[in-house]
Amino acid sequence: GAGVSQSPSNKVTEKGKDVELRCDPISGHTALYWYRQSLGQGLEFLIYFQGNSAPDKSGLPSDRFSAERTGGSVSTLTIQRTQQEDSAVYLCASSLGPSGGSTDTQYFGPGTRLTVL
Amino acid sequence: GNSVTQMEGPVTLSEEAFLTINCTYTATGYPSLFWYVQYPGEGLQLLLKATKADDKGSNKGFEATYRKETTSFHLEKGSVQVSDSAVYFCALTRGGGSNYKLTFGKGTLLTVNP
Repeated sequence: GAGVSQSPSNKVTEKGKDVELRCDPISGHTALYWYRQSLGQGLEFLIYFQGNSAPDKSGLPSDRFSAERTGGSVSTLTIQRTQQEDSAVYLCASSLGPSGGSTDTQYFGPGTRLTVL
Repeated sequence: GNSVTQMEGPVTLSEEAFLTINCTYTATGYPSLFWYVQYPGEGLQLLLKATKADDKGSNKGFEATYRKETTSFHLEKGSVQVSDSAVYFCALTRGGGSNYKLTFGKGTLLTVNP
């Protein structure tokens, strides 16, 4: 079946512009996670959704970052007024959620590579 | 807080060599432990996992044993192939309710030469 998809695969933007990154999770997966992969910081958790709610936003680095999820499916990560330090690969993952229990496995998308000039 | 420390790379081996990538963790309670792999140009894939002490995860010839006494989850393979060249990430989850966010190590780049 289809895996997690993300778009765009690459995004180049100018400092100060807003960007939107999209994630389509695996059908039926209620849990959705965003992570960021950068050379300096490695892989970092950003935000967790269960359904349309985001009970854990603790990884968002600043208030310029926000995310939403609609219909328990697609999620959008928005970065406002982008800065050069936002350049990274943004990864989305989905999983079954509570029904998966403690062994719930996250499946990752290919990522969006964001470059802020 | 939770953290994962894995050996710095890069690691370069010849085909059929033995591989060990060390991973240790800090977490409260009883985390689940994972190894993820990222092949060149591809996304992160789960390689193996273990959810309780003394469990051994295995897949594709790779193995790792959850050692609570040493808080370790070292990855091993007896005979590596060129196709194993990738970045390997050790990770843990410490579930709180239904939130199983992953905490990752920095990653170890493995290159296997023919």
